[in-house]
Amino acid sequence: KAGVTQTPRYLIKTRGQQVTLSCSPISGHRSVSWYQQTPGQGLQFLFEYFSETQRNKGNFPGRFSGRQFSNSRSEMNVSTLELGDSALYLCASSLEVTNNEQFFGPGTRLTVL
Amino acid sequence: GNSVTQMEGPVTLSEEAFLTINCTYTATGYPSLFWYVQYPGEGLQLLLKATKADDKGSNKGFEATYRKETTSFHLEKGSVQVSDSAVYFCALSDKGAQKLVFGQGTRLTINP
Repeated sequence: KAGVTQTPRYLIKTRGQQVTLSCSPISGHRSVSWYQQTPGQGLQFLFEYFSETQRNKGNFPGRFSGRQFSNSRSEMNVSTLELGDSALYLCASSLEVTNNEQFFGPGTRLTVL
Repeated sequence: GNSVTQMEGPVTLSEEAFLTINCTYTATGYPSLFWYVQYPGEGLQLLLKATKADDKGSNKGFEATYRKETTSFHLEKGSVQVSDSAVYFCALSDKGAQKLVFGQGTRLTINP
């Protein structure tokens, strides 16, 4: 069974632009969560989706948004990029919301110049 | 709110040495506890978990015991290998919830 895939793996943007990152969960997994990883703040929860509904949201500004499609694939969008948005964005999927075992993708490395 | 504190790194050991990485947590209720490992250029992999007090999670020679009285979940391995070099994260989540709260990570380097 294929693992969690994230595209693109690397991205370079400039301040003020917007970006969309994509995550395809493991086949059959319906829950998708997103995390931001930076050297200064570590790993921080962004949001969680299940059956196309956002179940939980972390403490990030409204520039960060996401969605989930009927096939469980998820996208996250960051608008008006700032230098501080440079990070590794990790997606994780799990079978159900009550199953705490999450499987992580390799991440998308976003660099904002 | 919930939080996780890990011992400061980096940690450097010789092959076959004993490893302990300390992890303590603050949470309401009875969270599930996890150790994740991140190898260079990769995402996180679940190493082990424990869901209730006194549970011991184990995998690949690593162990951790859920200690509610000391709110701790220390990671141990009796004999480390060079291939264990990675960053280790302690994490927790509320029961039935997916949101993980992570510690700051501990970089482990094993020298041959």
